[in-house]
Amino acid sequence: QKEVEQDPGPLSVPEGAIVSLNCTYSNSAFQYFMWYRQYSRKGPELLMYTYSSGNKEDGRFTAQVDKSSKYISLFIRDSQPSDSATYLCAMVGVPGRRALTFGSGTRLQVQP
Amino acid sequence: NAGVMQNPRHLVRRRGQEARLRCSPVKGHSHVYWYRQLPEEGLKFMVYLQKENIIDESGMPKERFSAEFPKEGPSILRIQQVVRGDSAAYFCASSPEGQGQQYFGPGTRLTVT
Repeated sequence: QKEVEQDPGPLSVPEGAIVSLNCTYSNSAFQYFMWYRQYSRKGPELLMYTYSSGNKEDGRFTAQVDKSSKYISLFIRDSQPSDSATYLCAMVGVPGRRALTFGSGTRLQVQP
Repeated sequence: NAGVMQNPRHLVRRRGQEARLRCSPVKGHSHVYWYRQLPEEGLKFMVYLQKENIIDESGMPKERFSAEFPKEGPSILRIQQVVRGDSAAYFCASSPEGQGQQYFGPGTRLTVT
């Protein structure tokens, strides 16, 4: 079983929709949670970085962490065609391990 | 205000040749990580380095792969005697000391023919 599970999609939504992306994880030692956006043939771009359980908002993006359920989410409001990309969740915090553990990514397509 | 820089962006090697991938971290960042991304897969950790030290190489294949981050100059990921299975995108990330956030470069796409 993978440490981090993420639905690969693809997820197709109309422009203006609210998008919900999710990851579950099995290792309760993870403490820091990140969402990256990756356009085709580009490097991952850090979107959100959270530590504690709860919500963090940045513009149209909201990251949500529920450590008790080992579940994290990224919400995108008023989605735009330019949001079409692969979204990767990542986490870190296991003692002795600085490397990020990634989900496999969810491909999002926002239709104009 | 340059981010992480990687070169070359594309590299083609024949089987058996050596590949050298270079990474310059964000200015002021002393921690460098290398990840590999195979087609349709997520990123897999390879190695974590600080200046002149390999801290964690648990994700590196035992043979043919090596990495360094010298006191001066970029970090280098070296793959000797490349095989077709080494074809992938290789990403470098850097972080400031003591923080979890990692910032990625544009990647080097290695194709082995």
